[in-house]
Amino acid sequence: DAGVTQSPTHLIKTRGQQVTLRCSPKSGHDTVSWYQQALGQGPQFIFQYYEEEERQRGNFPDRFSGHQFPNYSSELNVNALLLGDSALYLCASSLGVSSYEQYFGPGTRLTVT
Amino acid sequence: ILNVEQSPQSLHVQEGDSTNFTCSFPSSNFYALHWYRWETAKSPEALFVMTLNGDEKKKGRISATLNTKEGYSYLYIKGSQPEDSATYLCAFGGSQGNLIFGKGTKLSVKP
Repeated sequence: DAGVTQSPTHLIKTRGQQVTLRCSPKSGHDTVSWYQQALGQGPQFIFQYYEEEERQRGNFPDRFSGHQFPNYSSELNVNALLLGDSALYLCASSLGVSSYEQYFGPGTRLTVT
Repeated sequence: ILNVEQSPQSLHVQEGDSTNFTCSFPSSNFYALHWYRWETAKSPEALFVMTLNGDEKKKGRISATLNTKEGYSYLYIKGSQPEDSATYLCAFGGSQGNLIFGKGTKLSVKP
């Protein structure tokens, strides 16, 4: 049983570019949440997707957007990249929005130059 | 703004030492408290989810306690081993599933 998978593992982009990160949830899970971990910080909640809709959003600008597909996989898109967007992006999946148990992927390391 | 604090920031112990970390969180509107263990280049691994005041949970040599009235949780590791070296994260869990994380405690266990 595959856990949460994310792609790519690493990514280097230039300021102003756009990036798409991908996440496949653990088998049987229907909810995907995205987190950003900047250097020296704990992971920060970006948004959560359930039933192909954004259900909750953290304090992130509209440059951060997402999508959830019918197979529950999800994408995180970031437009007009800034140097400050350099971080580890984690995806977590769960069964339902209020589930106590969230399973994390290994993350995508994004570097913006 | 909800704030989750963890201390210490880092810890260096010898193999066989027992150790503990602290997580402080807002005591109002409590829903759940999560502990994760995160080894470098791997996925954060869930250790415990705690919901009730006074909860105590144990997994092998690792245990945790919860005090929701005063807003803290302790994580204990008995007889630390080198393989316990990792960052330990705690997170305040909201009823809608979003997690608010502390910055973590980085544990290094020297053989």
